[in-house]
Amino acid sequence: EVQLLESGGGLVHPGGSLRLSCAASGFTINAYAMIWVRQAPGKGLEWVSTIGDSTFYADSVKGRFTISRDNSKNTLYLQMNSLRVEDAAMYYCAKGIFDSSYSAPASWGQGTLVTVSS
Amino acid sequence: DIVMTQSPDSLAVSLGERATISCKSSQSVLYNSNNKNYLAWFQQKPRQPPKLLIDWASARENGVPDRFSGSGSATDFTLTISSLQAEDVATYYCHQHYNVPFTFGPGTKVDI
Repeated sequence: EVQLLESGGGLVHPGGSLRLSCAASGFTINAYAMIWVRQAPGKGLEWVSTIGDSTFYADSVKGRFTISRDNSKNTLYLQMNSLRVEDAAMYYCAKGIFDSSYSAPASWGQGTLVTVSS
Repeated sequence: DIVMTQSPDSLAVSLGERATISCKSSQSVLYNSNNKNYLAWFQQKPRQPPKLLIDWASARENGVPDRFSGSGSATDFTLTISSLQAEDVATYYCHQHYNVPFTFGPGTKVDI
């Protein structure tokens, strides 16, 4: 059974940093595209980043966020620097349907909440 | 960027009746090389993560009830719930994974 468990969220001041983790089980993350999607409170879904056969970022996070994976730990990461108030959201980790970075997010974790406030 | 629009913003449907949601993309999401539409539909219930219902515009995921169906091509897509059940109350999002940045529609809230 595919399971994704996000962690690392919390309260951070504007300009601060956080590293989100997504521990995967039931599959091997380097065989699939892995995706971060966020959702601000009461708002819709926003794609953030994908790592697969290519790595992509939304323009709003490019240069500030870095997606990576540790295959030995079967864990996906999102390093978030220079955080802004508008980055506050629930961050979801998702597994793609296959290894292409053009995969839709097929399986999702429960999310980890990031709050950015002074 | 490909802009996704959905209509209506919300709808109320009686139990057992049909619900239809429209999704339009500002550019075609049909990849001619494999004749696939890079269009997915998600269901999100309150305080839960989204769930993938349909990908490639019309391919239902394993375990998704067959009352859910997707149709359309290129820029115009539809999600149909043929006979609404109480557990279908949720917000539904379309999503294009054809071109970076990948984008979602604003969502359609379905209620009874």
